Amino acid sequence: QSVLTQPPSVSGAPGQRVTISCTGGNSNIGASSYVHWYQQLPGRAPKLLIYGNNNRPSGVPDRFSGSKSGTSASLAITGLQTEDEATYYCQSYDTSLSGPGVFGGGTRLTVL
Amino acid sequence: QLQLQESGPGLVKPSETLSLICTVSGGSITSSSYSWGWIRQPPGKGLEWIGSISYTGSASYNPSLRSRVTMSVDTSKNQFSLNLGSVAAADTSVYYCARLYIAGLPPYMIDHWGQGTLATVTS
Repeated sequence: QSVLTQPPSVSGAPGQRVTISCTGGNSNIGASSYVHWYQQLPGRAPKLLIYGNNNRPSGVPDRFSGSKSGTSASLAITGLQTEDEATYYCQSYDTSLSGPGVFGGGTRLTVL
Repeated sequence: QLQLQESGPGLVKPSETLSLICTVSGGSITSSSYSWGWIRQPPGKGLEWIGSISYTGSASYNPSLRSRVTMSVDTSKNQFSLNLGSVAAADTSVYYCARLYIAGLPPYMIDHWGQGTLATVTS
């Protein structure tokens, strides 16, 4: 069980906007400068989607955006497309754990 | 462009050691801006950090796996490796090697991933 809580699943119709939450606490998101997000398409390796709370690597559409406030973070996807169907993971740092960070449990996005 | 490729046996017997190698191409493993990590994903489940290592050999491990994990780096071959001892069925996972950007504040983002390799623990 991850220290970062994400909803197991979300869904939306093409063109709609969806958000995925990542909830932590004072020892992780609340103490961390950044949250990163990854997209994992079915059968593929994860890919960096958002870094440093709200920065997109080259090639990631501006339909994807992130935010962080207090002990939570969110990923928003606007203009939903069928190819967005994937599992999304947040990543933060936890002061009670050594190592490079912790992942959320993942949220599976279904495009209806 | 940078590529990472995992290699190793797909089947491991219980109580034995799982050994994997990650070969880095298209870039040097000796950059001080990056470290090199392993992440695993049990079938149908989420991601779990195993640990990371710098090119100087300084390693950091997931506390839950620390007693069984050893990582090493071979700069002459542009490779780094993972040894996970005393494996059990619960260690059956896809194992990913990855590059972490460490020039900023933690958490360190993973900007490149290998394609992953499935390691199955079975007798």
